[in-house]
Amino acid sequence: NAGVTQTPKFQVLKTGQSMTLQCAQDMNHNSMYWYRQDPGMGLRLIYYSASEGTTDKGEVPNGYNVSRLNKREFSLRLESAAPSQTSVYFCASSEAAQILNTGELFFGEGSRLTVL
Amino acid sequence: GENVEQHPSTLSVQEGDSAVIKCTYSDSASNYFPWYKQELGKRPQLIIDIRSNVGEKKDQRIAVTLNKTAKHFSLHITETQPEDSAVYFCAPPGGFGNEKLTFGTGTRLTIIP
Repeated sequence: NAGVTQTPKFQVLKTGQSMTLQCAQDMNHNSMYWYRQDPGMGLRLIYYSASEGTTDKGEVPNGYNVSRLNKREFSLRLESAAPSQTSVYFCASSEAAQILNTGELFFGEGSRLTVL
Repeated sequence: GENVEQHPSTLSVQEGDSAVIKCTYSDSASNYFPWYKQELGKRPQLIIDIRSNVGEKKDQRIAVTLNKTAKHFSLHITETQPEDSAVYFCAPPGGFGNEKLTFGTGTRLTIIP
């Protein structure tokens, strides 16, 4: 039981390049999330998927797109990377369609992205 | 959306002493209040949470207290140990439907041996 797995763990991009961060969970959770973490800023929600087939914007969605491929997988795409997108990205999942019911977010190990 | 403030941003305490971190929120509809711990280079993990029908919850050396009237909840760590050194985040839900957690900016706790 691996929990939440995200890849790659590290990536260096040049400005304008594109890339996709992959995330998969094996806990049969309905909801999945992408956060970014910057020093002094806490965790900020980029996009989330409350259930399979739905996606919604979070606090900082500009410059990103997401795909909920199936119940297990939720990918984050940077179409044209910018230095401001240098950050640590965390994927997370939770059991219920609304976090309120169970609460706990389970996080992946994080992906450190550097855009030059 | 939710406006979350967390204080202090850094905290150093002597090993064995207590630490208290406070989180204030704005959305009166919030009724779930978790605390996450993130060790250096690791992922955030839930350490304790409380729902609005109780005022306090304790789990060994950690406790969370809730004051819904004043819109704040606090994390209490007693008999601190070196392994308590980490960044702690509060994350009350906010916004219509309470589907999203809003994380505070974090408190870096350092335990001095």
